[in-house]
Amino acid sequence: AQSVTQLGSHVSVSEGALVLLRCNYSSSVPPYLFWYVQYPNQGLQLLLKYTSAATLVKGINGFEAEFKKSETSFHLTKPSAHMSDAAEYFCAVANSGYSTLTFGKGTMLLVSP
Amino acid sequence: DVKVTQSSRYLVKRTGEKVFLECVQDMDHENMFWYRQDPGLGLRLIYFSYDVKMKEKGDIPEGYSVSREKKERFSLILESASTNQTSMYLCASTRRTDIGYTFGSGTRLTVV
Repeated sequence: AQSVTQLGSHVSVSEGALVLLRCNYSSSVPPYLFWYVQYPNQGLQLLLKYTSAATLVKGINGFEAEFKKSETSFHLTKPSAHMSDAAEYFCAVANSGYSTLTFGKGTMLLVSP
Repeated sequence: DVKVTQSSRYLVKRTGEKVFLECVQDMDHENMFWYRQDPGLGLRLIYFSYDVKMKEKGDIPEGYSVSREKKERFSLILESASTNQTSMYLCASTRRTDIGYTFGSGTRLTVV
């Protein structure tokens, strides 16, 4: 079965600092990988997705992620954090047969002034 | 934009009640999903449906059932609500999983 591990339930950065949220996956098939963001009391919004085209994927709000097959990783980065980036972030992998997604446990990003 | 609408943002129900959570999508998506979200546990799949009247169990189906009588509507049913079903419930839909889901805003259910 596919699985996703997000390292760190909470990550704190200062405004303007680099954001790095880690995601490692296991998949028995070529993976489709996703990052979602959840603002308080809202549903999840798709940030970006990897579907076997370019290994560096650009998403909304200045975020990007790099697929590294050798490391089974799909880490999310942003060069300069804004206060508005404070939210919970979820990494997800499509299951075999691509019928459902398995989500990680989430990482809460805290941004301080 | 695809819209996934969950009928209630907040619900408070009593133990033993039968509870219906409704989800409607407006983009003719074949696939619909119900997840529950709990702190520290992430999202866990309860049930999904890939067509009208079709349903598949997810990872945690116990205590739940679903109904999909029309393509646009996917209902989650708690047959006899218990306090351990207090959670945030998220509905999602997609044409194909490999392009990602569209989520509703969620229903925060409290069972007292």
